[in-house]
Amino acid sequence: DADVTQTPRNRITKTGKRIMLECSQTKGHDRMYWYRQDPGLGLQLIYYSFDVKDINKGEISDGYSVSRQAQAKFSLSLESAIPNQTALYFCATSGGGGGTYNEQFFGPGTRLTVL
Amino acid sequence: AQSVTQPDIHITVSEGASLELRCNYSYGATPYLFWYVQSPGQGLQLLLKYFSGDTLVQGIKGFEAEFKRSQSSFNLRKPSVHWSDAAEYFCAVGINQFYFGTGTSLTVIP
Repeated sequence: DADVTQTPRNRITKTGKRIMLECSQTKGHDRMYWYRQDPGLGLQLIYYSFDVKDINKGEISDGYSVSRQAQAKFSLSLESAIPNQTALYFCATSGGGGGTYNEQFFGPGTRLTVL
Repeated sequence: AQSVTQPDIHITVSEGASLELRCNYSYGATPYLFWYVQSPGQGLQLLLKYFSGDTLVQGIKGFEAEFKRSQSSFNLRKPSVHWSDAAEYFCAVGINQFYFGTGTSLTVIP
């Protein structure tokens, strides 16, 4: 079984719709992250969470919100989707203490298309 | 401001040839440094990391990278490329929050 899972893997939605992307992990890590990937732009950090009560904005948080429902679950919401949010979204986790807190493990990604 | 530069958007090498992918960064302190590989349709896999100590680090799949503080660089190398190495490579830096380069796409010619 995969350590970091994302659902759905693919989603097509319309402008203005609310959607949620979900991430679950079985690695027992404290830290979880949401990134988006656009062609030619690499990965950009949207939000990150160091524990259930800790949520932090990343580089590009506008238009997004997150919820850390449990240590193992971190959801990303688009309240009103717009076409320029069409991208590949990745969830990542890290943990283990010391420097290993900075070593990230990525999920398989969710491809989101907003029409 | 923090930034990561991968100056080569695309590189083509012949199978068996050596490879070097460049990464330069701008960061307020000495960050942790990483290289990830992404195969088509896949997530990112960690190739290697530098936290401290020996500036030449070994990773998986025969890759190595050298941290040069004076040049703010962390270049990835492989002595002999295999066709299966064709993928997108990302350099990342940071402490707790991470910044990624725009990636280098590697094509391997048989």
